[in-house]
Amino acid sequence: DTAVSQTPKYLVTQMGNDKSIKCEQNLGHDTMYWYKQDSKKFLKIMFSYNNKELIINETVPNRFSPKSPDKAHLNLHINSLELGDSAVYFCASSRDSYEQYFGPGTRLTVT
Amino acid sequence: AQSVTQLGSHVSVSEGALVLLRCNYSSSVPPYLFWYVQYPNQGLQLLLKYTTGATLVKGINGFEAEFKKSETSFHLTKPSAHMSDAAEYFCAVMPTDSWGKLQFGAGTQVVVTP
Repeated sequence: DTAVSQTPKYLVTQMGNDKSIKCEQNLGHDTMYWYKQDSKKFLKIMFSYNNKELIINETVPNRFSPKSPDKAHLNLHINSLELGDSAVYFCASSRDSYEQYFGPGTRLTVT
Repeated sequence: AQSVTQLGSHVSVSEGALVLLRCNYSSSVPPYLFWYVQYPNQGLQLLLKYTTGATLVKGINGFEAEFKKSETSFHLTKPSAHMSDAAEYFCAVMPTDSWGKLQFGAGTQVVVTP
């Protein structure tokens, strides 16, 4: 009965590769988010989709592209990975904007 | 622009003692306010939130927080710490005109000693 799930949990890859992280929520929420948590545990919002429409697009390199095939899924594709992309990426969802439910995170390590 | 300041990156408390985590925001218009907890290698869980109404907010696991507009603060407390409270705690704000855009503080690591 996982509410917000992410795959994979761990991702190790080399610089220059392209990778995707998948997120699914079974809560019936309309809005989904991607956050990045850096090595100092600082959390920053990257994107948000509401009913498959992009509503928040923070200052993020255009190598990062979110894709929402339906309102239960929000995937994050990253092109030409760089060392600085190493972080934990969290997906979240909400019915309204006030209470966001977070997934377990995907730890991305770029070597 | 909004900012969130959490005083103290690490807090050590004895089991049974008061837990007090401080959070201040900078904004002329009070934002919505939140506290999240992150256990090791897990996602974030909402402890409590303040949007409108009563300024003393009760959350899960015995935590509560009080919104003080005059002090631009939203400090988190728990009367008696348990070992299971050891975690990272994040204060977050959401500007009332910025739907869904949570802005997090730097976090406070809580260590509970027997």
